[in-house]
Amino acid sequence: AQSVTQPDIHITVSEGASLELRCNYSYGATPYLFWYVQSPGQGLQLLLKYFSGDTLVQGIKGFEAEFKRSQSSFNLRKPSVHWSDAAEYFCAVGVVGFQKLVFGTGTRLLVSP
Amino acid sequence: DSGVTQTPKHLITATGQRVTLRCSPRSGDLSVYWYQQSLDQGLQFLIQYYNGEERAKGNILERFSAQQFPDLHSELNLSSLELGDSALYFCASSATGGNYEQYFGPGTRLTVT
Repeated sequence: AQSVTQPDIHITVSEGASLELRCNYSYGATPYLFWYVQSPGQGLQLLLKYFSGDTLVQGIKGFEAEFKRSQSSFNLRKPSVHWSDAAEYFCAVGVVGFQKLVFGTGTRLLVSP
Repeated sequence: DSGVTQTPKHLITATGQRVTLRCSPRSGDLSVYWYQQSLDQGLQFLIQYYNGEERAKGNILERFSAQQFPDLHSELNLSSLELGDSALYFCASSATGGNYEQYFGPGTRLTVT
């Protein structure tokens, strides 16, 4: 079965510093990969997605993610974090022909001044 | 704003009761998904409808049911409610039934007392 692991429950980053959130997935073929962000009391907003092609994908709000097949990873990065980026981030995997997303447990990002 | 709407935003009810959550997908989207977000289970897929027909089922309890109407809005019915059903219930929609990016509504927070 498909699964997603986000090993970091909480991460604290100073404003202006770089960010990397880790995501590892388990699936035998190339999956569809997504990162979503959830602000307190809000729904999930799609940050970026990977379906095929270029393994470095750009998303909204200055985020990017890199698909590494050899490591089964899809880590999210941002070069300079803003206080407004404080939120919970979810990695998700979808499988071709499988009608759902499987989410990781999320990483809560705290931004310190 | 994702374009997916959910009502009500909050719902407080007693154990044993029945509630209905409503979702309107983005204009043109034929596929609707329901997810449950709770502290202990995380984000779990419940069920998917595509153009009025059930397409996939996840971890949905027998006490829960859903349907999608001809105008494409969907309802999730939860009956014989238990304390453990307290959660955020999200609806998402996508343009096809094939698991391309899903856009999430703001959620309905259900509290069972």
